[in-house]
Amino acid sequence: AQTVTQSQPEMSVQEAETVTLSCTYDTSESDYYLFWYKQPPSRQMILVIRQEAYKQQNATENRFSVNFQKAAKSFSLKISDSQLGDAAMYFCAYRVDYGGSQGNLIFGKGTKLSVKP
Amino acid sequence: DTGVSQNPRHKITKRGQNVTFRCDPISEHNRLYWYRQTLGQGPEFLTYFQNEAQLEKSRLLSDRFSAERPKGSFSTLEIQRTEQGDSAMYLCASSFETQGNQPQHFGDGTRLSIL
Repeated sequence: AQTVTQSQPEMSVQEAETVTLSCTYDTSESDYYLFWYKQPPSRQMILVIRQEAYKQQNATENRFSVNFQKAAKSFSLKISDSQLGDAAMYFCAYRVDYGGSQGNLIFGKGTKLSVKP
Repeated sequence: DTGVSQNPRHKITKRGQNVTFRCDPISEHNRLYWYRQTLGQGPEFLTYFQNEAQLEKSRLLSDRFSAERPKGSFSTLEIQRTEQGDSAMYLCASSFETQGNQPQHFGDGTRLSIL
């Protein structure tokens, strides 16, 4: 069964600095999708960035980028020029897409990011 | 795009009572998912619909849980004879599936508290 591990329960970053959140996963599949979601306190979970496993190029969305290491099964999120609004829980998620399991996400336990002014 | 809407936002009930939650997905989305999120954990998959068909149910979905999506529009999740362990945030998400990388859009969730 696939699993997603986020080893950092909490992280802190100074405003305008860069922070990297770690995520590892376990799967025997070769084609899959990985996502980072952000969940601000008492607010909706929103997609930050996504990566297709067949693409070697790391995904980038403005200040957010990933370091996808397929062989190591690692998918870290880098936030550059951190802003106060980046403070939230960040969840790494793996998408199941085979057989009868089509589309549901497997989430890690999350990393709580604090941004210091 | 009005987003995924969930009602109610909060539900407090006594153990043993039945509760029902509603999810209105983004209108053109054909897939609808239910997840459960307990404190300090990531969301866990419960079930999903492709249009009106319920295609998969997790082992977490005991026989006290039932979900419907009549006419492929809104969905309801009912929990019968609630137990303390049912206390959680119930999240609904929807997507328009053509290829596998389509993101799921989440609602605000319904927080269930069992007294």
